[in-house]
Amino acid sequence: RKEVEQDPGPFNVPEGATVAFNCTYSNSASQSFFWYRQDCRKEPKLLMSVYSSGNEDGRFTAQLNRASQYISLLIRDSKLSDSATYLCVVNRNGGSQGNLIFGKGTKLSVKP
Amino acid sequence: NAGVTQTPKFQVLKTGQSMTLQCAQDMNHEYMSWYRQDPGMGLRLIHYSVGAGITDQGEVPNGYNVSRSTTEDFPLRLLSAAPSQTSVYFCASSSWGGWQFFGPGTRLTVL
Repeated sequence: RKEVEQDPGPFNVPEGATVAFNCTYSNSASQSFFWYRQDCRKEPKLLMSVYSSGNEDGRFTAQLNRASQYISLLIRDSKLSDSATYLCVVNRNGGSQGNLIFGKGTKLSVKP
Repeated sequence: NAGVTQTPKFQVLKTGQSMTLQCAQDMNHEYMSWYRQDPGMGLRLIHYSVGAGITDQGEVPNGYNVSRSTTEDFPLRLLSAAPSQTSVYFCASSSWGGWQFFGPGTRLTVL
């Protein structure tokens, strides 16, 4: 099993659609989980951290299932500006945030 | 705050040349790291540092050196550039337990 695995997409959706991204990770000792967003030819930027209880930020909801080693990101009411690549990120060692493993990303394209 | 800055933005080298990619942060972050990003490969960790004077290897360290003499600066040195090192390089920093902030990247081409 790869350390962090994501569906590469692309996901092509119309404006207003709801889209879900999934991610699995292999290291059960991982403690920190994130979703980053990367626009074309730009640096990755933190979208949100992911907590066991789940967390929501506006139209974005992240969920973590430790038993299944599975992370998800739900985007509701998609906007054109949501078009980007979404990176699932997990820390390699339990506790330390520093040593992160990045998934290869899922590309989202929102069309008018 | 400038955040994380990287220079140069673009660089073309010939095989065998050496150079240093600069990275600086003004957020007093303990942790700094270097990644490379290649098409279809995602971001891969080259080297990282948990504080001044402390560095460690990441996933793909061969052909690269780093040093951390100050909290602010974390340069990445290519000892003898090879075409396989053509990539986009990102520097990142974070406080302990915080998320990582990335610099704008350096696009390197080795001919």
